[in-house]
Amino acid sequence: DTAVSQTPKYLVTQMGNDKSIKCEQNLGHDTMYWYKQDSKKFLKIMFSYNNKELIINETVPNRFSPKSPDKAHLNLHINSLELGDSAVYFCASSQDWRESVETQYFGPGTRLLVL
Amino acid sequence: GQNIDQPTEMTATEGAIVQINCTYQTSGFNGLFWYQQHAGEAPTFLSYNVLDGLEEKGRFSSFLSRSKGYSYLLLKELQMKDSASYLCAVRDSNYQLIWGAGTKLIIKP
Repeated sequence: DTAVSQTPKYLVTQMGNDKSIKCEQNLGHDTMYWYKQDSKKFLKIMFSYNNKELIINETVPNRFSPKSPDKAHLNLHINSLELGDSAVYFCASSQDWRESVETQYFGPGTRLLVL
Repeated sequence: GQNIDQPTEMTATEGAIVQINCTYQTSGFNGLFWYQQHAGEAPTFLSYNVLDGLEEKGRFSSFLSRSKGYSYLLLKELQMKDSASYLCAVRDSNYQLIWGAGTKLIIKP
């Protein structure tokens, strides 16, 4: 049983296209996150939603738009893809973003390559 | 700015012990995490420290000194499957996780 799932796992597309990545968690968690991991392996938070409400919105181009239809889903839509968007995008979830002993559970990642 | 520093790469021998250090400078502190990430896979949780001292969990232990802004992950009885990147992350005053770039650990027979 997959706890945090993402689709697609691989995404190869042309510059200028619009694409979406979907994420679902079946852990009953309240908080979900999107991270970008670039070629240097830094994990950078992009967005975080708690119970469908945006709580973290880092400095990310507005071409990136998260959507949370319910607390089990957090999708990421990217408009006008650029070469620099090539990276691995991880979705994660946690029970409550403020709880002391809190771990985040990560999805398998989506490897995006923009040509 | 906020900063997490870890060595880029370390090499150790199967059966040995290795210590991976992490130093941090963040806006506030609400806990430090260590995650393991195998190549091409997602990070998985290893340990959590919020008070000073050593937390032991099987072959892995993690130490924290808040006054020094310092932590280490100690791996004992190394196995080939321990070859991975080890990510240090600190939760700041806004409960946001700040991540280090990770330490790639190479285990040799």
